[in-house]
Amino acid sequence: GQQVMQIPQYQHVQEGEDFTTYCNSSTTLSNIQWYKQRPGGHPVFLIQLVKSGEVKKQKRLTFQFGEAKKNSSLHITATQTTDVGTYFCAGYDYKLSFGAGTTVTVRA
Amino acid sequence: DGGITQSPKYLFRKEGQNVTLSCEQNLNHDAMYWYRQDPGQGLRLIYYSQIVNDFQKGDIAEGYSVSREKKESFPLTVTSAQKNPTAFYLCASSSRSLAYGYTFGSGTRLTVV
Repeated sequence: GQQVMQIPQYQHVQEGEDFTTYCNSSTTLSNIQWYKQRPGGHPVFLIQLVKSGEVKKQKRLTFQFGEAKKNSSLHITATQTTDVGTYFCAGYDYKLSFGAGTTVTVRA
Repeated sequence: DGGITQSPKYLFRKEGQNVTLSCEQNLNHDAMYWYRQDPGQGLRLIYYSQIVNDFQKGDIAEGYSVSREKKESFPLTVTSAQKNPTAFYLCASSSRSLAYGYTFGSGTRLTVV
């Protein structure tokens, strides 16, 4: 079955720095979604990517879908303490399969 | 306000007992889902339902049961057959278009004592 893998599992970032988290699927995806879960909270939908090579931006967050529709990345610039949490990618193939997430901590 | 409500927030169960987790949505979404989350792991799909009176097993359905008698409700029963039920359970719903992703409830944390 479909498997979605994320790296790194943990990301410790100095406030103000940039970082990228990566998502890879074992199969071609019809779309990929990204979610953020704050500590103690529940996942919240951030964005959906559908087209090959698609790039979308939300303020300091840049999401990209690979040309082969098997990978995706999330890049955060100028990290802030509000970026703390776990970021999940989820690949859709008639149902969502979630990666294990990248847990981000920020050093002030 | 439209949303998805899970109850209770915390639940303690003795070994050998069945417990039912509630999930209600007023978003008029057709599809509903149950996920299990363990520390350091992603969300694993237990069951999902795309229409009333129909549901399918997810990746880890053993020891769980569901019903979908109403569009708004998708309760999950954790049975005594589930060997390791202590976890954080998340219910979600979505429209057919998926344009706005899944909407998650705030979760139920189940602990076996």
